[in-house]
Formats: sequence, C-alpha cells, structure tokens
Amino acid sequence: NAGVTQTPKFQVLKTGQSMTLQCAQDMNHEYMSWYRQDPGMGLRLIHYSVGAGITDQGEVPNGYNVSRSTTEDFPLRLLSAAPSQTSVYFCASSQEAGGAFFGQGTRLTVV
Amino acid sequence: QQQVKQSPQSLIVQKGGISIINCAYENTAFDYFPWYQQFPGKGPALLIAIRPDVSEKKEGRFTISFNKSAKQFSLHIMDSQPGDSATYFCAASRQGAQKLVFGQGTRLTINP
Repeated sequence: NAGVTQTPKFQVLKTGQSMTLQCAQDMNHEYMSWYRQDPGMGLRLIHYSVGAGITDQGEVPNGYNVSRSTTEDFPLRLLSAAPSQTSVYFCASSQEAGGAFFGQGTRLTVV
Repeated sequence: QQQVKQSPQSLIVQKGGISIINCAYENTAFDYFPWYQQFPGKGPALLIAIRPDVSEKKEGRFTISFNKSAKQFSLHIMDSQPGDSATYFCAASRQGAQKLVFGQGTRLTINP
C-alpha cells in the first residue's frame, strides 16, 4: 500500500516548456487535490477533483490544467512554465469523511 | 485574502515544555479543522483534527482547543520532544478535506 505517489521528485524546466506532474493513489479515495507550497504562504489549492471526470479550480489555478480519467490518477499539467511557478507541488487524496493524505512532493524549478 | 492566519511563525521550546500554536479563521462556514506536521523534504502528515461541535480533542500528547465564538483554534503539544521539531500547519475547510485552506506554518524547534 503505497498511499499517494508523486513523480518526478525534482524537475528543472526552462521558461516556456510544458510538463506533467504525475500523481497516483491506491486507497480508492474519491477526492484528489493539487497544492503548491511557497515559503511563508503555507499550501495553496491549485485544482481539485471529487471523482473521475469531475475537476474544479482552487485558489491559484492559472497556468495549470488537470484531468481525472480514473479514480487512481490525477496529473497536473503546466502549459507554459514561468519562473513564478517555481515551487514545491503536493498531491493529496481523501475520502468525504477523514483526513487528506499527501504525497512526498515534486520540487520544480523554472529558469 | 488569507482566510486562516497562523502564529507564531517560529517557536523554540525546551524539551519537556508545552508548545502552543494558534490559528484564527474568517469563514464561519468552515467545519473541519486539521493540523498537519511536516518534516523537511516530506509531505504534510495529518496529526489531529477537530470539528466545531466539540471544544477540545486530545490524542496522546497533542490537543486541539477550539473556540467557535472567537473563530480560533490552537494546537498544544505537551512534554515536547526533539523529535517534534518540524513545521506545523493548521488548516480549515468546508465539507471534508478536499479543499483545505492552510495557515502560513510554524517552524517548531525543541531544544534538548
């Protein structure tokens, strides 16, 4: 039982490049979310999903896309990377009742 | 806007002492208040959570105190240990844990 698995752990991108951050969970949780963590700002919600085929925007969605074709997977796509997207990204999954479980994070640097 | 405000930003406590971290929220629709612990290079891990129908919840050395009228809640760590040194985040949400609003975090250091 791996929980929430994020890949890659580290990534360096050039401005304007695109990439996909992968997230998979094996707990059969309905809900999945993406957060970014920046110093002094806590974690901020980017996008979330309440089930396969259903996604919605969080607090800071600009520059990011998501889709949820299966219960297990919730990839986050950066369309055209910008230095402002340098951050640590966390994926989380949860049930309606109960806490959120976070992955180990992806540290992204955009140069 | 910052819907959940956390203080202090950093805290140093002697081993065996009590660590106290405070949070205040604005949205009265919030109905779930968890605390997360994060070690360097790791993801946040759920420590303890409370719902507004109770004023206190205790799990081992960790206690949440909740004041609905003041819109404040706090984490108390009793008999603090060096292994408790980490960053702690409070959070709040409506209808479960899929849309958490986090505080800014508190870096806790327990001196041996």
